[in-house]
Parts: sequence; structure tokens; C-alpha cells
Amino acid sequence: DAGITQSPRHKVTETGTPVTLRCHQTENHRYMYWYRQDPGHGLRLIHYSYGVKDTDKGEVSDGYSVSRSKTEDFLLTLESATSSQTSVYFCAIKGRVGEQYFGPGTRLTVT
Amino acid sequence: GQQLNQSPQSMFIQEGEDVSMNCTSSSIFNTWLWYKQDPGEGPVLLIALYKAGELTSNGRLTAQFGITRKDSFLNISASIPSDVGIYFCAGQLGTGNQFYFGTGTSLTVIP
Repeated sequence: DAGITQSPRHKVTETGTPVTLRCHQTENHRYMYWYRQDPGHGLRLIHYSYGVKDTDKGEVSDGYSVSRSKTEDFLLTLESATSSQTSVYFCAIKGRVGEQYFGPGTRLTVT
Repeated sequence: GQQLNQSPQSMFIQEGEDVSMNCTSSSIFNTWLWYKQDPGEGPVLLIALYKAGELTSNGRLTAQFGITRKDSFLNISASIPSDVGIYFCAGQLGTGNQFYFGTGTSLTVIP
């Protein structure tokens, strides 16, 4: 499982509130990713990081920000959650030979 | 973003039958990955492919990196009930560090 954990695993929040999801990895991987998964859309990239303080936008980055102050942690923040951000969020890392491993996911519901 | 066309979208098969699914792209990829996802879980990497023409097995699963580098195939032999789940492909272009995903094949195995 590449030592990836996500927290929280489930969260219900109200529209307009800020939300931060955490991804933690224990194997010192350089690349980390945040995806959302929705029915009919598959996995879509939100943001990714290629090192401490180095991040880039993905396909669906609007409304999301990220931070990576330590190699092991990659945070995803919804500054003001909206109902369209109800989704399952997955963190992933890129392994040493180019493969990708996923965390267990966070199910977020915005009411 | 890149579109990966995965087919079929769903399959209903009898236990013991073989399964084939494929993924195609309009772009040339340098890595193809195949995953299985169970409900409420994160995707689990099954097979990673890195060279055109490469054929790799993982137990009853066999995947191939297409010679054109625009497609990949996954075969499951002698299906069993625990093969039930959603299988999806992912690819990485020659440049950049982003992965692109198919929308998945839902497999149902009838005992």
C-alpha cells in the first residue's frame, strides 16, 4: 500500500465552510497527487506536488488549494466548500519506477 | 485533458470464464497501469507496463502494452467471485508527471 494514509476518512460539512484533507506517506516519495472520483467521470487530477513547496494544477483545480511543507504530508484545502465538491478524494504517490499507488480515500459530503 | 477510452463499460460473466478488456488513447503513452477498485476502497495496482509490446502477468491476470503505445489490454483467466469490482486503466505520457484514467469496466461474476 506504499504507506499512504488519509484523514479524515469521512467528513460531512456545510456549504461555505473551509475543509482540509490530509495525505501522509512514510516512504519519502517525491511526487504526490490529489484526485477526486465521481460517478461517470472517473478519477480526475486536482493538484499534484513534485517536491516540498512545489505544486502544480491539475484538470479540476478550481476551488481547491494545496500545500506541502514536508515531504511526507500533502494537504488539500477547500477554502469554501460547495455542494459540487461532494466527492471521494484520493491521494496517490508516484513510485520509484513510475507506477502510482493510492490511499484509502476520504468521502466528503457538503450539505 | 487526455481521454482514455475503456471498454467494455460493464461485463456479466459466469464463474470460470475468461475476461478481456482494453483501453485506447489518441496519444502515445510511455506507461500503462491497470487497477482494481472494490466499493469503498482505494484503487489497487494490479500490473504496470513500461515498454511497447510488453506482456506481464500477475497470477491469473495478464496485461499487454500495445505496440502502437496507444492501447493496452487486460485479461483475467478462469474468473472467480472475488474478481468482482471495477477495473480501470491509467496511462502516463512521455513528458510530464500526470496520469490519465479510463472510466472503468465493472465486472460481475455469476457463481
